[in-house]
Amino acid sequence: GAVVSQHPSRVICKSGTSVKIECRSLDFQATTMFWYRQFPKKSLMLMATSNEGSKATYEQGVEKDKFLINHASLTLSTLTVTSAHPEDSSFYICSADRDNTGELFFGEGSRLTVL
Amino acid sequence: GIQVEQSPPDLILQEGANSTLRCNFSDSVNNLQWFHQNPWGQLINLFYIPSGTKQNGRLSATTVATERYSLLYISSSQTTDSGVYFCAVDGGATNKLIFGTGTLLAVQP
Repeated sequence: GAVVSQHPSRVICKSGTSVKIECRSLDFQATTMFWYRQFPKKSLMLMATSNEGSKATYEQGVEKDKFLINHASLTLSTLTVTSAHPEDSSFYICSADRDNTGELFFGEGSRLTVL
Repeated sequence: GIQVEQSPPDLILQEGANSTLRCNFSDSVNNLQWFHQNPWGQLINLFYIPSGTKQNGRLSATTVATERYSLLYISSSQTTDSGVYFCAVDGGATNKLIFGTGTLLAVQP
């Protein structure tokens, strides 16, 4: 089946620093990717839609200057958490839509801890 | 926006038992997917099922789009079935998925 890979799987950083998370589609091209955030024991919350070659579309309440998204190629989207603070600590998961069929495949997730 | 609710929120089963998980959604949908989130957080695709019935081994799913619900059946449950089960739907012009509240399943030996 389709494979989506995220890196890093875990990251610990100091408050005030920026962290970049990569999401790659390994065996298909993805014009659209999605970024989700999950708090402990909660459901997944959609943060933004990443579109190859154009600006990301952010969900209401998500700060676009805090969570920078870049989708520079058909196989790579990146999420940069800028000037991270402890409240940004969370599990971030990306997903990719294979060939615009609507079926999404998810990466392994990246657990961010901000000290 | 569309609301997605799952029931039950928690479920404890003995190994070998069967179960039915339900997903209700508030509007018509184009797509519906079921996922299993394992203890490490990985989301495993179970079914892509906007309508109809599908089966894969001990798992099967049915979506009745006109009545706005989907069911996931787990038969002869195993301890490895433990985890959180999510349904997610896409009801808008874009294909972004909105996740349900999840069902936490614990299968005991």
